[in-house]
Amino acid sequence: AQKVTQAQTEISVVEKEDVTLDCVYETRDTTYYLFWYKQPPSGELVFLIRRNSFDEQNEISGRYSWNFQKSTSSFNFTITASQVVDSAVYFCALSEAQRDSSYKLIFGSGTRLLVRP
Amino acid sequence: DTGVSQDPRHKITKRGQNVTFRCDPISEHNRLYWYRQTLGQGPEFLTYFQNEAQLEKSRLLSDRFSAERPKGSFSTLEIQRTEQGDSAMYLCASSLDTSGYEQYFGPGTRLTVT
Repeated sequence: AQKVTQAQTEISVVEKEDVTLDCVYETRDTTYYLFWYKQPPSGELVFLIRRNSFDEQNEISGRYSWNFQKSTSSFNFTITASQVVDSAVYFCALSEAQRDSSYKLIFGSGTRLLVRP
Repeated sequence: DTGVSQDPRHKITKRGQNVTFRCDPISEHNRLYWYRQTLGQGPEFLTYFQNEAQLEKSRLLSDRFSAERPKGSFSTLEIQRTEQGDSAMYLCASSLDTSGYEQYFGPGTRLTVT
């Protein structure tokens, strides 16, 4: 069965520290997609990144970087030099392409990140 | 390019009343999803439309819930005879009809059943 686990419930860091949010997933599909979303205090989910299962290249976007490792079924998210505005709940999600034509998202329970000044 | 919009943003109702929420997706998106999010949890899938056809419903969607998407544009989610357990954030998302394409979410409707 498909499942996404975000074991870190809450992380607190001081501004300018680097922080890594962990995501582990389970799926029997060989074609699937992984996502990260940010949910700031305002509540609206903001799309950050999508990766497909065939592309294990790491990606960097400004202060954000993502490490996808199929061997460990992990898709971790690192914020470099964190800022107060990064404070939010971050969700990792999985979408299966072969067994599920709806491509619905299976979310983890989220990691609340608090960046203190 | 306007994003996904939802109305109302907040709804307080008494147990037993019916409520209806509306979602307007991004105009060129033909897939529309409803999710429910309770406090401290990630969103959970409720149902999905491809154009006007409702193609999948979660077991979370009891027979008190009904969703429509007439003409494949906006969608409505109705909850009949609300219960306190229905209190949650109801999120709508839309996407292109492409495998794995990202879903864009609206601001949600927060329902409180008293």
